[in-house]
Amino acid sequence: AQTIHQWPVAEIKAVGSPLSLGCTIKGKSSPNLYWYWQATGGTLQQLFYSITVGQVESVVQLNLSASRPKDDQFILSTEKLLLSHSGFYLCAWSLTNQAPLFGEGTRLSVL
Amino acid sequence: GQQVQQSPASLVLQEGENAELQCNFSTSLNSMQWFYQRPGGSLVSLFYNPSGTKHSGRLTSTTVIKERRSSLHISSSQTTDSGTYLCALANNAGAKLTFGGGTRLTVRP
Repeated sequence: AQTIHQWPVAEIKAVGSPLSLGCTIKGKSSPNLYWYWQATGGTLQQLFYSITVGQVESVVQLNLSASRPKDDQFILSTEKLLLSHSGFYLCAWSLTNQAPLFGEGTRLSVL
Repeated sequence: GQQVQQSPASLVLQEGENAELQCNFSTSLNSMQWFYQRPGGSLVSLFYNPSGTKHSGRLTSTTVIKERRSSLHISSSQTTDSGTYLCALANNAGAKLTFGGGTRLTVRP
């Protein structure tokens, strides 16, 4: 069975500090991978997607970057956090033309 | 403009009442999905690419593609149904999901 794991579950970080959020998919090779973000009280929006290792497409510019160093791993990061980065981050995977499955998410508070 | 609009934005029910949630699209429908978002934020998929009417327990999804709308009916609501219900529209191949703003449902005992 396929599993998707996000880490950490929650983070409290200072403005200007770096951030790295991780997502790992097990049990499926070459999945499409996605990062989504939701500000508190806001709408979920897609940030990045990747269809293969080393290839990442940006959907929304939020001064964040994403990388796919391995087939089953998707990393979201930034060198300098902004207050506006606070919110809930979701990773998801899918096969083409199939419903995406989401991880449990990471709640980020930037102070 | 916003491609996916949900209504109402919030809804309060007494336990046992029924709920009707609406989702309207301003673009052509490729595929769509209904989700339940838990209070902690994680998503539960309820229906994927429903066309016509589909049932899952107390939930019924009705999608009319040519009218660019979908509805989610919850019958005999329970307090555990409280949370946010999201609909999302997918582009070709499903690479991009566009979410609506959600309906926040509160079911009181």
